[in-house]
Amino acid sequence: QKEVEQNSGPLSVPEGAIASLNCTYSDRGSQSFFWYRQYSGKSPELIMSIYSNGDKEDGRFTAQLNKASQYVSLLIRDSQPSDSATYLCAVKIPAAGNKLTFGGGTRVLVKP
Amino acid sequence: NAGVTQTPKFQVLKTGQSMTLQCAQDMNHNSMYWYRQDPGMGLRLIYYSASEGTTDKGEVPNGYNVSRLNKREFSLRLESAAPSQTSVYFCASSEARGGVEKLFFGSGTQLSVL
Repeated sequence: QKEVEQNSGPLSVPEGAIASLNCTYSDRGSQSFFWYRQYSGKSPELIMSIYSNGDKEDGRFTAQLNKASQYVSLLIRDSQPSDSATYLCAVKIPAAGNKLTFGGGTRVLVKP
Repeated sequence: NAGVTQTPKFQVLKTGQSMTLQCAQDMNHNSMYWYRQDPGMGLRLIYYSASEGTTDKGEVPNGYNVSRLNKREFSLRLESAAPSQTSVYFCASSEARGGVEKLFFGSGTQLSVL
């Protein structure tokens, strides 16, 4: 089992709709969770971090964390073509020396 | 602000050749990292350095060596390149501010080993 798993996609959503991305992790002791966005041919950039159960909102982005079920999700509201990118889930894994471990990424395509 | 600068941007090597990827950051960060990214595999940590003078292995260190030359610079060396090392390499540094830890990435190096 991979430590951090994501559906590779592509996730195709119409412009203006909500994109919902999911990420599951294996280490129940994990406490820190991140979402990075990576445009094609570019480097990743941090868009959200979440540490507590529940929802965290930042503009059109909402991160949701459920430690009991070991998943973290990212919602993108009012999706725009500029949101088309690969979204990487990253988790600090205690069993790996608390190093940041990335999932394989979900490719999102927002169609006008 | 330059941020994290990596060189070169592209490199083609023959099997068995050696090369060094250079990375420098101007944000006074203590921690620096080298990742590789392969299709569908996300980013995998090769080596990291928590502070000047220290380095530690990550998830996929075999075939690589690193040097933390000073606080700014962290280089990655391939002593004898293999086709399996064909990948995109990212250097990163990190800061923790306001309880949030954030990685800053360089622009990447596309390496092909023939």
